[in-house]
Amino acid sequence: GQQVMQIPQYQHVQEGEDFTTYCNSSTTLSNIQWYKQRPGGHPVFLIQLVKSGEVKKQKRLTFQFGEAKKNSSLHITATQTTDVGTYFCAGHTGNQFYFGTGTSLTVIP
Amino acid sequence: EAQVTQNPRYLITVTGKKLTVTCSQNMNHEYMSWYRQDPGLGLRQIYYSMNVEVTDKGDVPEGYKVSRKEKRNFPLILESPSPNQTSLYFCASSWGRRNSPLHFGNGTRLTVT
Repeated sequence: GQQVMQIPQYQHVQEGEDFTTYCNSSTTLSNIQWYKQRPGGHPVFLIQLVKSGEVKKQKRLTFQFGEAKKNSSLHITATQTTDVGTYFCAGHTGNQFYFGTGTSLTVIP
Repeated sequence: EAQVTQNPRYLITVTGKKLTVTCSQNMNHEYMSWYRQDPGLGLRQIYYSMNVEVTDKGDVPEGYKVSRKEKRNFPLILESPSPNQTSLYFCASSWGRRNSPLHFGNGTRLTVT
């Protein structure tokens, strides 16, 4: 069945360092969404990518969708303590969402 | 305030005792779904509903039931809970169109002993 893998599972960075999480799907996706879940909270929508090769930016966050629409990445420049949480990608195929396994980010002050 | 409301937030029960987790949204969303979150496995879809009286299985539907009698409500029913259903559960809703983001409830932490 459909699988969406994310790496790494955990990442510890010093405040100010960059961070990247990668998302890979076993099949082509219609679109990909990214969510952030703060510790003890619920996932919150960040952004959606639809087009092959699309790149979007939100302040220090850069999101990319691969040319084959099977992979995506989220890059955070100069992390801050407010970036702490788990980042999930979610691929949309048909009527179902397939979430990645998530990357838990810890930022050390 | 636009929101997805889940109840209860925490639930401890025993094996075999039927339970229902409620989910309600006030955004007139067509699409609603349930997920379970387990360490290292991310969010896995249990059931989803495209509209009233329309429900479909997700990736892990065994041991769960749902119903969608009204647009705003999408309860999750565990007829005979077992310890392997101990998990964090999230309800989510969206407009249902391909590019619609999911809005999540605050979660229900279920423990089955």
